[in-house]
Amino acid sequence: DQQVKQNSPSLSVQEGRISILNCDYTNSMFDYFLWYKKYPAEGPTFLISISSIKDKNEDGRFTVFLNKSAKHLSLHIVPSQPGDSAVYFCAGGTASKLTFGTGTRLQVTL
Amino acid sequence: DVKVTQSSRYLVKRTGEKVFLECVQDMDHENMFWYRQDPGLGLRLIYFSYDVKMKEKGDIPEGYSVSREKKERFSLILESASTNQTSMYLCASSLAGTDTQYFGPGTRLTVL
Repeated sequence: DQQVKQNSPSLSVQEGRISILNCDYTNSMFDYFLWYKKYPAEGPTFLISISSIKDKNEDGRFTVFLNKSAKHLSLHIVPSQPGDSAVYFCAGGTASKLTFGTGTRLQVTL
Repeated sequence: DVKVTQSSRYLVKRTGEKVFLECVQDMDHENMFWYRQDPGLGLRLIYFSYDVKMKEKGDIPEGYSVSREKKERFSLILESASTNQTSMYLCASSLAGTDTQYFGPGTRLTVL
């Protein structure tokens, strides 16, 4: 049973435009959600997180939105840059354990 | 700065061999984790540890064991490597009571 789902395996966006990455979850016990970014041959790096009691968190070009009633979160990147090209994983957290989605590969084109 | 290191970036082993993957963190984190990453499956938790000498099974522990004798070091052991254990192995650590995990660079293991 996949508790965290990223239904889009890939996304292509033009430089300067908005990238929107989506994530759905089924486990209502998650008390935190996180986004990680991963380049090939490197470990994931933490990007941004949101508590389950909030609906938005912003950090520079990155904003995460949480819709608890829909069990949906999204990551917005504005403006997108070529260096943002990577695989993005969302994760739900509870009791210090994370459950990851399958990832979305973002390609930012010139 | 947060630092998690893994003993090897690339490893090639034969079926049936015993394999040790080492992970060291220098942040004095209580929690340590082992994941494997496979295409289309994301990161799956193998084992984790909340303290020295403690270990908990994750979602896919079969064929693996772990050892945590010191706070900074968490070892993943493949008792008898099989081809279906060919994967990218990622170690992570976090502070007790927090969700943000910090990852090492990964070990790409190939079992022939």
